Amino acid sequence: AQSVTQPDIHITVSEGASLELRCNYSYGATPYLFWYVQSPGQGLQLLLKYFSGDTLVQGIKGFEAEFKRSQSSFNLRKPSVQWSDTAEYFCAVAEYSNYQLIWGAGTKLIIKP
Amino acid sequence: GAVVSQHPSWVICKSGTSVKIECRSLDFQATTMFWYRQFPKQSLMLMATSNEGSKATYEQGVEKDKFLINHASLTLSTLTVTSAHPEDSSFYICSARMTSGRMRNNEQFFGPGTRLTVL
Repeated sequence: AQSVTQPDIHITVSEGASLELRCNYSYGATPYLFWYVQSPGQGLQLLLKYFSGDTLVQGIKGFEAEFKRSQSSFNLRKPSVQWSDTAEYFCAVAEYSNYQLIWGAGTKLIIKP
Repeated sequence: GAVVSQHPSWVICKSGTSVKIECRSLDFQATTMFWYRQFPKQSLMLMATSNEGSKATYEQGVEKDKFLINHASLTLSTLTVTSAHPEDSSFYICSARMTSGRMRNNEQFFGPGTRLTVL
């Protein structure tokens, strides 16, 4: 069965430091992969997505993610985080047959001043 | 573009009453809308998928008679929690998808969510 794993429930990073959020998936075919951010009191916002092509994907707010098929991973990165990046981040994979999203459990990111 | 709204943003109701939550795609037509439930500190759980003009498809374990979904138009879907009980208290999120066809055109756009508290 398809699944998405985000191993880190909480991550605390100092402002200005680099960030990497991990995401591993289990999916038989070529996956469609997404990263969403959920800020307090706001809806889910798409950061970036991967369908095909270049495995390094650029997103909004300075985020990027790299698809590594050999590792079944789609880790999210940002070179220098800001306090405003405090939020919960969700990785998701879409089923090809019906485009439904399968979600990871989320990683709560806290930025220290 | 691609804005999805939900109304109300929060609601408190007494046990036994019914609550209707609206999900609207404001600047596009949504052939499919999804309803999710999010428990505190947990991920989203898909409740049902609704296609305009047809019955919703519910995920396993979701009571159809408890959570009534109506997708009457290409811009509006409603979720009615009938005879609500405290265990129905949760954060309900809808999303809307533009068109069928290639996955690239199938991005889901999410509403801001509705916080339901049943006393």
